[in-house]
Amino acid sequence: AQSVTQLDSHVSVSEGTPVLLRCNYSSSYSPSLFWYVQHPNKGLQLLLKYTSAATLVKGINGFEAEFKKSETSFHLTKPSAHMSDAAEYFCVVSARSEAAGNKLTFGGGTRVLVKP
Amino acid sequence: DSGVTQTPKHLITATGQRVTLRCSPRSGDLSVYWYQQSLDQGLQFLIQYYNGEERAKGNILERFSAQQFPDLHSELNLSSLELGDSALYFCASSVEPWGGFNEQFFGPGTRLTVL
Repeated sequence: AQSVTQLDSHVSVSEGTPVLLRCNYSSSYSPSLFWYVQHPNKGLQLLLKYTSAATLVKGINGFEAEFKKSETSFHLTKPSAHMSDAAEYFCVVSARSEAAGNKLTFGGGTRVLVKP
Repeated sequence: DSGVTQTPKHLITATGQRVTLRCSPRSGDLSVYWYQQSLDQGLQFLIQYYNGEERAKGNILERFSAQQFPDLHSELNLSSLELGDSALYFCASSVEPWGGFNEQFFGPGTRLTVL
């Protein structure tokens, strides 16, 4: 079984300030972890993925996430928020198991508001 | 643009009716997934097909069914619709049926409204 908890349902930041979106996961298997972003009335776009090659993962648009196995966390950060970052962000876990298939389990989402 | 297409974009229908949602995966992707996004349930995995065969099942109701055709497009059939079925339905595709870092590419979704 696997689950994802996004610790904040809403985050509000000022443009140019850092963004931190928190995510904790649990998985019976060695997981794959992803962050997806959903802009209003749009589909989901992959920001970054954890591949086990490095614990610090860099993604698109200046985002990065750090995998911490001991804390079962995969927090997403960006040093300087831009107005275009206003969207909903989903932390996602996928079991790396043939038995479990490739189904994704989504967190509840964090809605980011960026103030000018 | 992810390369995954979904039709229609919007669908408005009445309770008790049946609808079909269509998805075309990215070129070369053999695996198709269906997800439901609603306000109360969030994003939930429904079902996965790989090369025409059902591969994994999630929280899919018995009133819902899906299939993947030889040309790899997929259809999600929703019948005896209820108000609570109103949601955004996403299709996603990937190359393999499973495999660690095998990311999924999402379509723009079909918004279903049941009145």
